[in-house]
Amino acid sequence: AQSVTQLGSHVSVSEGALVLLRCNYSSSVPPYLFWYVQYPNQGLQLLLKYTTGATLVKGINGFEAEFKKSETSFHLTKPSAHMSDAAEYFCAVSETNFGNEKLTFGTGTRLTIIP
Amino acid sequence: GAVVSQHPSWVICKSGTSVKIECRSLDFQATTMFWYRQFPKQSLMLMATSNEGSKATYEQGVEKDKFLINHASLTLSTLTVTSAHPEDSSFYICSARGPVFGQGTRLTVV
Repeated sequence: AQSVTQLGSHVSVSEGALVLLRCNYSSSVPPYLFWYVQYPNQGLQLLLKYTTGATLVKGINGFEAEFKKSETSFHLTKPSAHMSDAAEYFCAVSETNFGNEKLTFGTGTRLTIIP
Repeated sequence: GAVVSQHPSWVICKSGTSVKIECRSLDFQATTMFWYRQFPKQSLMLMATSNEGSKATYEQGVEKDKFLINHASLTLSTLTVTSAHPEDSSFYICSARGPVFGQGTRLTVV
């Protein structure tokens, strides 16, 4: 079975500061990992994904994440927070082949940006 | 890139009625789609896997007679909430290849 733990249900950072959202996973096989962003009453937008290859993954809106197998982590970072980054962020894991994933989600982290 | 369209984006219905939600893959064929449910301020939970041309696979604890799934074509899966009750009020969202998600449907049962 697979699982995802997101440490910190709420994270607040000042505008311009580093954003760090933590995600740890558990998987019995090499995982595929995803970060999504959700704005209120909207669907999920894919920020980035890791399947194989380079462990540092760059996504949209300046976000990136690093897959660390030894730490079973996939933390999301952004060097400088913008007000528009305020949203709910979900980390997810899949064990199936790329293309037909069913995902297991973490509980989410609400990011607040302080002006 | 792959786009999944979900309709309607929100719906209000009376208790005891049925509601159908559509999930379409716009520029690709999807033999498999997934339906999730998200309660307020909670994470997404997989409800079922929709398989084109065959029966859906439901997760443990999800009532298959209440949440009817039909995947009649390679671009369309539908979720029908039958005899809806207030406790079925939730945000329902589908996904397909990628996985790419639809916009979600906010269901409110009154």
